[in-house]
Amino acid sequence: DTEVTQTPKHLVMGMTNKKSLKCEQHMGHRAMYWYKQKAKKPPELMFVYSYEKLSINESVPSRFSPECPNSSLLNLHLHALQPEDSALYLCASSLGQLNSPLHFGNGTRLTVT
Amino acid sequence: QKEVEQNSGPLSVPEGAIASLNCTYSDRGSQSFFWYRQYSGKSPELIMSIYSNGDKEDGRFTAQLNKASQYVSLLIRDSQPSDSATYLCAVNRENRDDKIIFGKGTRLHILP
Repeated sequence: DTEVTQTPKHLVMGMTNKKSLKCEQHMGHRAMYWYKQKAKKPPELMFVYSYEKLSINESVPSRFSPECPNSSLLNLHLHALQPEDSALYLCASSLGQLNSPLHFGNGTRLTVT
Repeated sequence: QKEVEQNSGPLSVPEGAIASLNCTYSDRGSQSFFWYRQYSGKSPELIMSIYSNGDKEDGRFTAQLNKASQYVSLLIRDSQPSDSATYLCAVNRENRDDKIIFGKGTRLHILP
């Protein structure tokens, strides 16, 4: 079990659907992250929120929309995705300070049909 | 040059031997270095972190950092079959504490 909880574990959606991925942590961490990982590839940074403000957007297409309602919650809203967006979406959190490691959730396996 | 480079493997090591995993990075300003282990279909799990030049030991794991040569390594002593996994090197970038980038990982296979 991890201290970063992601829901749902699996998600299948059509290209016209709107869905959301959710992430929650109660470790008092101030930075939260979304990474995308395709098979046999490393995690690829998408977004970072530091102190509830979006601090990094790695040129992610607008069909992915992050939201950080408070310091414990992180959402990723999905709309009009493409089949190539199918991947494991990983949420992570950290203290947001120098030398702070990432703590990952178990991920959401997304399939776009 | 890729930001964080690792040999993708697979690296095959007999059980009980030492596994040596290497990583080089391009950003001289990087200050935080992490090793993560990832089993197939699972999320990455932190194994070691290192911030200063030299060695850092934790049980069977030793991380080594050489900032002048821009490489970081992970040694696993007394390798066990359960150590078979992909090992990801991660580094902070652009002098940012919150921008952590991963290498493509090295697949390690421990031979029973």
